[in-house]
Amino acid sequence: NAGVTQTPKFQVLKTGQSMTLQCAQDMNHNSMYWYRQDPGMGLRLIYYSASEGTTDKGEVPNGYNVSRLNKREFSLRLESAAPSQTSVYFCASSENPVGQAYEQYFGPGTRLTVT
Amino acid sequence: AQKITQTQPGMFVQEKEAVTLDCTYDTSDPSYGLFWYKQPSSGEMIFLIYQGSYDQQNATEGRYSLNFQKARKSANLVISASQLGDSAMYFCAMREVYGQNFVFGPGTRLSVLP
Repeated sequence: NAGVTQTPKFQVLKTGQSMTLQCAQDMNHNSMYWYRQDPGMGLRLIYYSASEGTTDKGEVPNGYNVSRLNKREFSLRLESAAPSQTSVYFCASSENPVGQAYEQYFGPGTRLTVT
Repeated sequence: AQKITQTQPGMFVQEKEAVTLDCTYDTSDPSYGLFWYKQPSSGEMIFLIYQGSYDQQNATEGRYSLNFQKARKSANLVISASQLGDSAMYFCAMREVYGQNFVFGPGTRLSVLP
């Protein structure tokens, strides 16, 4: 099993360009998440998807859109990149049976630089 | 609202000694899970240990144990017999059982000295 995979690993964008970060998991998890991690800070939730067909905003959703394409895939789109979106982006997935809290499994991250 | 506090930005420990990394949390939900993750310099996030709010005993996983004090809302990570490979960032996180949101603390950078 590959676990959680993300592409690309690195990306440099110019201000105003758009791009989509791809994420896929092969663990049959219902929930998927996108986080950003900035220096000196923990992970901040951008968007999450509790199940196929649903998405919800997290703590820092402005400037991003997401698509839960199917149970395996959850993509993050930057429509018009800004320097403030320079960060490391992590995708994660989790099982979420009712009444229990399970750990998240993380992808390797995408390091994005916006110039 | 959920919140995680890690008051130690950086910690040093001598190899083979034990170290405690602090974590306090805030939630009004009685059902929640607490997690610790390790992030080495390579950047990946590695799950270490989990504690449920109704678990009677403190969680242990090898050299990792979680000192859970529910009344104080603290979930400190104890690493026994530190190794050089334990040098990393450590994040405490929480998820309310009936919510979808994981909340992470700012992290503690642990440096193990030879």
